[in-house]
Amino acid sequence: GAGVSQSPSNKVTEKGKDVELRCDPISGHTALYWYRQSLGQGLEFLIYFQGNSAPDKSGLPSDRFSAERTGGSVSTLTIQRTQQEDSAVYLCASSSTSGDQETQYFGPGTRLLVL
Amino acid sequence: KQEVTQIPAALSVPEGENLVLNCSFTDSAIYNLQWFRQDPGKGLTSLLLIQSSQREQTSGRLNASLDKSSGRSTLYIAASQPGDSATYLCAVRNDYKLSFGAGTTVTVRA
Repeated sequence: GAGVSQSPSNKVTEKGKDVELRCDPISGHTALYWYRQSLGQGLEFLIYFQGNSAPDKSGLPSDRFSAERTGGSVSTLTIQRTQQEDSAVYLCASSSTSGDQETQYFGPGTRLLVL
Repeated sequence: KQEVTQIPAALSVPEGENLVLNCSFTDSAIYNLQWFRQDPGKGLTSLLLIQSSQREQTSGRLNASLDKSSGRSTLYIAASQPGDSATYLCAVRNDYKLSFGAGTTVTVRA
């Protein structure tokens, strides 16, 4: 079956512009996660959704970052007024539930470059 | 805050040698530990998941052990092949979030 998909695969933007990154989880997966992989920072957790609710937004680095999920499926991560330090690979993952037995399945990522 | 460390950062071996990758973590109250593979420019592929109650998991040439009390896991890859060249990431799960190590970049020379 289809895995987690993300779009766009690459995005180049100018400093100060807003960007939207999209994640389509595996069908039927109720839990969705966003992570960021930066050079020198490794992979860090951003936000977690259970259904359409985000119980934990603690990993969002600033109030310029926001995310939503609709219909318990697609999620959008929005970065407003992008800065050069936002350049990174943004990875989305999903799991069938948020239970502790569950594997998180990752998408290919969106590579964001802010000039 | 969970801290995950992977040693070594890089490893180069001739084809056929066994690989040993180490992962340590500071908070032993984990749900599970996962080993991932990442190829350049690609996402993460899950290799093995070990639940906190388990001591090891095996899949083909891969074997991962977990010693939760000491905060350590080891990934063994037997009879390495050039196709095993990639970055291997260890991740531990507390609640619902994964905390990742920085990875070990493996090169298997033909």
